[in-house]
Parts: sequence; C-alpha cells; structure tokens
Amino acid sequence: NAGVTQTPKFQVLKTGQSMTLQCAQDMNHNSMYWYRQDPGMGLRLIYYSASEGTTDKGEVPNGYNVSRLNKREFSLRLESAAPSQTSVYFCASSEQLNTEAFFGQGTRLTVV
Amino acid sequence: QKEVEQNSGPLSVPEGAIASLNCTYSDRGSQSFFWYRQYSGKSPELIMFIYSNGDKEDGRFTAQLNKASQYVSLLIRDSQPSDSATYLCAVNQGYALNFGKGTSLLVTP
Repeated sequence: NAGVTQTPKFQVLKTGQSMTLQCAQDMNHNSMYWYRQDPGMGLRLIYYSASEGTTDKGEVPNGYNVSRLNKREFSLRLESAAPSQTSVYFCASSEQLNTEAFFGQGTRLTVV
Repeated sequence: QKEVEQNSGPLSVPEGAIASLNCTYSDRGSQSFFWYRQYSGKSPELIMFIYSNGDKEDGRFTAQLNKASQYVSLLIRDSQPSDSATYLCAVNQGYALNFGKGTSLLVTP
C-alpha cells in the first residue's frame, strides 16, 4: 500500500519553463490537495479537489493549474515557472474534505 | 484567512520529560483538529486528531481541546530523542485543513 505517491522528488527549472507535478493515491480517497511549504510560511493550500471532476482554488493559486485526471490522480502544472515558485510541494489526500489528510513525500522544486 | 498560531520554538525538553505543545485558532466554526509531526526534509505525518472537547490519548500522546478558549494542545509523555521534530497543528477551515507554522521540539539526551 503506497499511500500518496508524488513524482518527481526533485526538479530544477529555468525561469519560464513549464512542468507538471504528478500525484497518485491508492487509498480510494475522494479529496485531494496541493500545498506548498516555504520557510517561515508554513503549509499553504494551492488547489484542492473535493471529488473526482471538481477542482477549486486555495489560498495561493496564482501561477498554477491543476487537473483531477481520475479519482486516483491529481496533477499540478506550472505553465511559466518563476523563482518565487521555488518551494517544496506536497500532495495530500483525504477520505472527504476536512478529514485527516495523508501526505506524499514531497517535490523539492528550484526555479533559477 | 483564519489564523492558526503556534509558538515556533525551539522547545527543548530533557529525555523522559513531558513536552507540551500549544496551538490557538481564530475560526470559532472549526470542528476538527489535527496534529502532524514533520521531520526535517520529510513530509508531515498524522499523529492524532480530535473533534470533541476534552482529552484524547493514544500511547504517549494526548491531545487536548478546549473550543471555548479556542486552543488545542499536544502532550508527549516520556519524550525521546526520536520525538525531535516540528509539530504542526491543523484546523479544518471550510474546505481544507489550515496549518500553523509549527513548533520545533528538541529532546535532549
């Protein structure tokens, strides 16, 4: 039982490049989330998906897009990366909104 | 954005002592409260959740909730060096969990 799996674990991008962070969960959870974690800022919600077929903005959505591909998978896309998007990105899932969330191992992204 | 506040620490306790971690929140409508542990360079790991006023115990961990005063705490009994980590408090807020910035705990041998 892998839980929540994120790929890649590390990535370096040049300013203006695009990339997609992948996330998959095998716990049959309905809700999925993308957070970013920065020193001194804590975990901030980027986007969430209450259930398959729905996505909504969180606290810091600018510069990002998401796709809930199916119940298992929730991807995060950076269309034109900026140095301000250097961060650690965590995907999480939960059975329903506002229930206990389980996190993937994170993606450490550096934009130069 | 409603607030979840934690003292950043570091909180230093000797091995075998009780560590007490505190969290306050501003949204009176919050119903669910969670404690996560995060080791350096790793992802947050769920320790406990609590929904009702009072205490909830799980092994060496006790979560305490007081909705009237809007605080939730985590007690770690018989603290071990392996408990050294950052502890994140999370509170349900509308559609997702809102996290505090965490308290760094250092357990010294």
